[in-house]
Amino acid sequence: SAVISQKPSRDICQRGTSLTIQCQVDSQVTMMFWYRQQPGQSLTLIATANQGSEATYESGFVIDKFPISRPNLTFSTLTVSNMSPEDSSIYLCSVDVRGEFFGPGTRLTVL
Amino acid sequence: DQQVKQNSPSLSVQEGRISILNCDYTNSMFDYFLWYKKYPAEGPTFLISISSIKDKNEDGRFTVFLNKSAKHLSLHIVPSQPGDSAVYFCAASVGGTYKYIFGTGTRLKVLA
Repeated sequence: SAVISQKPSRDICQRGTSLTIQCQVDSQVTMMFWYRQQPGQSLTLIATANQGSEATYESGFVIDKFPISRPNLTFSTLTVSNMSPEDSSIYLCSVDVRGEFFGPGTRLTVL
Repeated sequence: DQQVKQNSPSLSVQEGRISILNCDYTNSMFDYFLWYKKYPAEGPTFLISISSIKDKNEDGRFTVFLNKSAKHLSLHIVPSQPGDSAVYFCAASVGGTYKYIFGTGTRLKVLA
């Protein structure tokens, strides 16, 4: 199993600003994933973060808007850049044990 | 294009009865399916999975059934307990990709 923590748990941000979300895992994992859950919607994969290489983004998501870092095998960050109200979502990280473990999520509200 | 669909946004069941949550998919390449439970303010928690080589998988009170010809899977919870009240998501992937496509969720309420 894996225990995943995320910071912050929630935040309220102004339009045009950026927020960096941290994800910490209690064990070394090869792949980490970032998801978004917009209000009333399903979880959507944003990107896959591998240590030592650039993140792989899914269709509709770009690095300029959602830059990701993966400095080691237990940690990753997702930045939501130049935020607009449409970015208001829950952002979750998960790890690669067949996608079974998710962090508690970061609830972001953009005013 | 919603490849994984949960057509019932909510479901209410009496405690002790069976809860049946349904999920349909359109992509015949999906070969691995999972169910997650999500409480408010928490991340999804893995419940049970099934590979396309099987049509049934059990784990305690939870059983997942897969009907590949109908592209349908269901989660049965027997007996249902108030602590089972949560949002349930099904997810699907094509083998080895680790890329999961999620349904929109079904909110289950188990009434005491």
